[in-house]
Amino acid sequence: NAGVTQTPKFRILKIGQSMTLQCAQDMNHNYMYWYRQDPGMGLKLIYYSVGAGITDKGEVPNGYNVSRSTTEDFPLRLELAAPSQTSVYFCASSYSSGGGTEQFFGPGTRLTVL
Amino acid sequence: KQEVTQIPAALSVPEGENLVLNCSFTDSAIYNLQWFRQDPGKGLTSLLLIQSSQREQTSGRLNASLDKSSGRSTLYIAASQPGDSATYLCEVDSNYQLIWGAGTKLIIKP
Repeated sequence: NAGVTQTPKFRILKIGQSMTLQCAQDMNHNYMYWYRQDPGMGLKLIYYSVGAGITDKGEVPNGYNVSRSTTEDFPLRLELAAPSQTSVYFCASSYSSGGGTEQFFGPGTRLTVL
Repeated sequence: KQEVTQIPAALSVPEGENLVLNCSFTDSAIYNLQWFRQDPGKGLTSLLLIQSSQREQTSGRLNASLDKSSGRSTLYIAASQPGDSATYLCEVDSNYQLIWGAGTKLIIKP
């Protein structure tokens, strides 16, 4: 099993550009999550999904969108990139609710917006 | 609103020492708490998960305790090794609020 994979690993965007961060898992997990981590800080939940076709906002959803058309994939979309979105983005998955079972994390995407 | 605090922010100890990392939270109505390890430039690895009905969990040299009434969890690392050097984060799950502490950066000196 590859676990949770994320692409790209690094990306530099100009203000106003758009991009999609890809996340995939091959563990047949129902729950998937997107987090951002700013330097010296803990993670903040952006969006999560409890299954295909179902998504919900986390703590910091503004400026982002998600979709969950399959169990495996959970892409994160940035429509109009802003410098405040410079961060490291982590995708995670778990079999059931966020803390009920272990979360597995991808390696992260480091995004810089200039 | 749930808030999670980890003190200290950084800790440096000689190899072989036993040590304790702290995680405190403001709302005791939690489902569970997880401790994670983060290595530089990498993702996070789950270490221990404590359900709200449990008081502690153990894995090898690691022991995590949970006291909901006081809003505290501790991660005890026995006989520390240089390979334990990493940032340790705790995450609190309370009603789909997944709130993280800022972490404790641990350095184990050989």
